[in-house]
Amino acid sequence: NAGVTQTPKFRVLKTGQSMTLLCAQDMNHEYMYWYRQDPGMGLRLIHYSVGEGTTAKGEVPDGYNVSRLKKQNFLLGLESAAPSQTSVYFCASSYSRESRDTQYFGPGTRLTVL
Amino acid sequence: KQEVTQIPAALSVPEGENLVLNCSFTDSAIYNLQWFRQDPGKGLTSLLLIQSSQREQTSGRLNASLDKSSGRSTLYIAASQPGDSATYLCAVKTSGSRLTFGEGTQLTVNP
Repeated sequence: NAGVTQTPKFRVLKTGQSMTLLCAQDMNHEYMYWYRQDPGMGLRLIHYSVGEGTTAKGEVPDGYNVSRLKKQNFLLGLESAAPSQTSVYFCASSYSRESRDTQYFGPGTRLTVL
Repeated sequence: KQEVTQIPAALSVPEGENLVLNCSFTDSAIYNLQWFRQDPGKGLTSLLLIQSSQREQTSGRLNASLDKSSGRSTLYIAASQPGDSATYLCAVKTSGSRLTFGEGTQLTVNP
């Protein structure tokens, strides 16, 4: 049981390049989330999904797109990377939105945009 | 807008000491409050989850309390060990799918 996995672990992009971050979970969770973590800002929600084929905007969605074509995968795309998107990106999943359910986090992807 | 503040930002203690980490939030209309641990270069691990109707939760040497009306939570760590060194994050759930995080307290336990 791998839990939540993220690929890649590290990436360096040049301004204007595009990339996709992949998140996978093997816990049959309905809910999946993408966060970014920045010094002095804490973790902030980018986008989330409440089930296969659905996506919704979080707190800081601009510059990102997401897709949830399969229940176990949640993809985060950057179409034209900017230096402001340099951050550590975390994916998380949860079984439901019930107040008793916690979120399980992946190990993170460290992205640098030059 | 919900805001979560954690004090102190950093804490260094000798091994064996009991310690308290603090978390405060501005909007008391929460579903739950969670404490997470983050090790350097790693993801977050959930330590304790307190639902809005609960006052505290315990797991081993950890005890977390919640006072929703005053917007405060504390994480108590008993008999601290070097392996407890990590960043501790507090997060509140204010809607079905949204967690708001504090910036964390970086804890160092010295042997």
